[in-house]
Amino acid sequence: AQSVTQPDIHITVSEGASLELRCNYSYGATPYLFWYVQSPGQGLQLLLKYFSGDTLVQGIKGFEAEFKRSQSSFNLRKPSVHWSDAAEYFCAVGPNAGNNRKLIWGLGTSLAVNP
Amino acid sequence: ETGVTQSPTHLIKTRGQQVTLRCSSQSGHNTVSWYQQALGQGPQFIFQYYREEENGRGNFPPRFSGLQFPNYSSELNVNALELDDSALYLCASSSEVGIQYFGAGTRLSVL
Repeated sequence: AQSVTQPDIHITVSEGASLELRCNYSYGATPYLFWYVQSPGQGLQLLLKYFSGDTLVQGIKGFEAEFKRSQSSFNLRKPSVHWSDAAEYFCAVGPNAGNNRKLIWGLGTSLAVNP
Repeated sequence: ETGVTQSPTHLIKTRGQQVTLRCSSQSGHNTVSWYQQALGQGPQFIFQYYREEENGRGNFPPRFSGLQFPNYSSELNVNALELDDSALYLCASSSEVGIQYFGAGTRLSVL
């Protein structure tokens, strides 16, 4: 079965500290991988994506993620968190071919940032 | 700013009523996907439209239906509303490349 697991429901970090949000997936083939961020009451903003090539991908707002095929993981990282990073973070996976672009989503990780 | 706009932003309905939500896709995008996001949950795929035809459907009953128009804008219709339909409804547009760009959503409350 296709699924995405984000093991951490809620994380609190201090401003300036490093951050890692975990994402593991189960999928038939190597999928396209995404991280989205959602502020309260808002839609979803794409942070970064992995399609192929270099397994370390850079995104907006200083975020990066590393695809590890052997671990079926796509963890999101940021070296120094800012208070404005407080939000809900979602990992999603989708097919790398075909016109049906259905995304499978994790339940999200809520990030709180202490001043 | 993704260029995907959804209307209305908020909506209050009562059980049994019908609702239509609208989505204008980003210029150049021919695919629209609809998601339901309940409070505290991740988005759940409802269905996708590609060049005006349904191109995949999630685990939602037939009272959830949709349309895509020649300009690739889209509607989501929900009949016989139930309390559990209260959620944020998200629309995303994409091209064949597959990156989905989301609108801000429509918050539906069913009383």
